[in-house]
Amino acid sequence: DGGITQSPKYLFRKEGQNVTLSCEQNLNHDAMYWYRQDPGQGLRLIYYSQIVNDFQKGDIAEGYSVSREKKESFPLTVTSAQKNPTAFYLCASSIGALKNIQYFGAGTRLSVL
Amino acid sequence: DAKTTQPTSMDCAEGRAANLPCNHSTISGNEYVYWYRQIHSQGPQYIIHGLKNNETNEMASLIITEDRKSSTLILPHATLRDTAVYYCIVRVARDMGRRALTFGSGTRLQVQP
Repeated sequence: DGGITQSPKYLFRKEGQNVTLSCEQNLNHDAMYWYRQDPGQGLRLIYYSQIVNDFQKGDIAEGYSVSREKKESFPLTVTSAQKNPTAFYLCASSIGALKNIQYFGAGTRLSVL
Repeated sequence: DAKTTQPTSMDCAEGRAANLPCNHSTISGNEYVYWYRQIHSQGPQYIIHGLKNNETNEMASLIITEDRKSSTLILPHATLRDTAVYYCIVRVARDMGRRALTFGSGTRLQVQP
């Protein structure tokens, strides 16, 4: 069954700790995205990657880092520099850069202890 | 992206058709109409899209007026699981895979038993 898998579903971060959110897709999509959603708000783009070994900052990249070593995987690290990390994090993918629909994972809810 | 206007909320009886309108009076000739929905605490889900012809898939139908200034998403037999916020997005196809998705306020559909 093809899709996008995000894990874990819930994650708790301690002060000063880095945490990594996993995003895996078996759709053979080239492009992948990370969004942040705050309660009652829309989506804000953190990072996106059009192809393996390449990624670009979105609108709110500060305090986050990503890697794209494999086509299927696009992990997001929330670093200690991100002072307000509590949010719902969504990973998406699309076939390619042009004319393609973005499909989303189920999300990871990150909270600070 | 062209500006869209949707009602804030709608109710629908279970088993009946849910008709969700979207106004996009400034749509340009190469912009598509896309619909997504987000069920509470889940990732957004792509529903359907179209340019000028009516479209139907296993989830819904999309009716676009002849002047393309408005459209209606139809869920033919709404169930309780269709309770969600529905978003109408208007943009050129080439931007779908390479720019962040931005959701407006959407329509909160409540399906009543």
